[in-house]
Amino acid sequence: GDSVTQMEGPVTLSEEAFLTINCTYTATGYPSLFWYVQYPGEGLQLLLKATKADDKGSNKGFEATYRKETTSFHLEKGSVQVSDSAVYFCALKSSNYKLTFGKGTLLTVNP
Amino acid sequence: KAGVTQTPRYLIKTRGQQVTLSCSPISGHRSVSWYQQTPGQGLQFLFEYFSETQRNKGNFPGRFSGRQFSNSRSEMNVSTLELGDSALYLCASSLAVSYQETQYFGPGTRLLVL
Repeated sequence: GDSVTQMEGPVTLSEEAFLTINCTYTATGYPSLFWYVQYPGEGLQLLLKATKADDKGSNKGFEATYRKETTSFHLEKGSVQVSDSAVYFCALKSSNYKLTFGKGTLLTVNP
Repeated sequence: KAGVTQTPRYLIKTRGQQVTLSCSPISGHRSVSWYQQTPGQGLQFLFEYFSETQRNKGNFPGRFSGRQFSNSRSEMNVSTLELGDSALYLCASSLAVSYQETQYFGPGTRLLVL
């Protein structure tokens, strides 16, 4: 079945540091890949997505590239801010329409 | 456009009771999915409804059920509540024309079972 593996953290960074959160997946066919973010006490917000190989999703300075050869979708940001502190979830959706999530990565950014 | 709304936001129940949660999707969205989020198990898929029909179901016991109405609003019901049902229940909606589409999430209903 489908599965997503992401580094669980927690990850603690100083403001303006570089962020990478690794995500790899297992799926049949050609899934769509997503990164969602969850702030304390809230639901999930879509951060970015990619629907085919070599696509790059980007939003708010975050980027991730769909790498079919390595089955990966790593999240990166060049300079994090305190306001980026949240839990980040990597997810995939294949033809069965359901989202399969990784365990989530807690990011804390200190001033 | 209004986002996905869920009611109630918080619930406290006791073991053995039943509970009904409600979800109103984004206008025009025909698919509604439900997920359970717990610290131990993370985010797990419960079921998905499209045009009033259950299209997919996760690995949860029959105590968990749902339905969708003609206006795409959805409800999920949990009967004979157990302590382990304490969780954040998230609803998500999408157009569902293609599986590549984004699912948009509501704020969730936090259920505490005592």
